[in-house]
Amino acid sequence: DIQMTQSPSSVSASVGDGVTITCRASQGIGNWLAWYQQKPGKAPNLLISTASRLQGGVPSRFSGSGSGTDFTLTISSLQPEDFATYYCQQANSFPLTFGGGTKVEIK
Amino acid sequence: QVHLVESGGGLVKPGGSLRLSCAASGFTFSDYYMSWIRQAPGKGLEWVSYLSSSGGTIYYAASVKGRFTISRDNARDSLFLQMNSLTAEDTAIYYCAGGGSFYYGMDVWGQGTTVTVSS
Repeated sequence: DIQMTQSPSSVSASVGDGVTITCRASQGIGNWLAWYQQKPGKAPNLLISTASRLQGGVPSRFSGSGSGTDFTLTISSLQPEDFATYYCQQANSFPLTFGGGTKVEIK
Repeated sequence: QVHLVESGGGLVKPGGSLRLSCAASGFTFSDYYMSWIRQAPGKGLEWVSYLSSSGGTIYYAASVKGRFTISRDNARDSLFLQMNSLTAEDTAIYYCAGGGSFYYGMDVWGQGTTVTVSS
C-alpha cells in the first residue's frame, strides 16, 4: 500500500498569511494526487486534482504542485473561510489512501 | 444540482449488520465511479471501497474485505454498502463519493451517515 504522509499536522496562521502543506508518498505516484478541504461537520470538498488542477469554483489563492513522491498545497493569502482541515489522497492505485490531515487554525 | 444523500446509518451491536444507501441526483450516475469513505470520530479519512461506473470492478480496503459488499443500481441512481460482522472499529461517519475517473479524485460527496457499533 502507498503511505501518504502530510506535514505539518497543524498550523496556526493569521488572515492574509501564506501557508504551505506538504504531502509525501511512500512511492512514486506520478501526478495522481488530490487535495481536499474539510470543514467541521461537513463532507470533504475536492480542491485540486492531478496535483495542480484547480477545481471549478476554487479560489486562485489555492495552488498545488509536485510529482513523483513530493507534493505541496499552498494557500497564498489565508481568508477566514480557509480555516479547515486539508487532506491529500493518492489516486495512483488501490487501495486509495489519504494523508493524516493538516488542520489550519487561526492564530 | 449535484446531490448525494446517504441513509441507513444507526446504532448496531457488535457482530450485527447494516445496509447503507446513497441516492444520487443532478448528474449522470452511471458515468461515475463511486466509493465509500469513512471517518472515525475525531480521525482522518479512510477509503473503504470502490465500484466502477459499470459495476464491473470492485476494490475493498483490507480492513473491510470479506465483511462489506459494495453494489450499485444504475437504473435507480443508487449506491449501497452491505456491512456485516460489524465491530467497534467500524464506528464512523460513512460518506459516499465519486467522480468521472478515480485518477482525478472524488468531486461529488454526500453529507454522510453515522454508524455506531456498540453493545
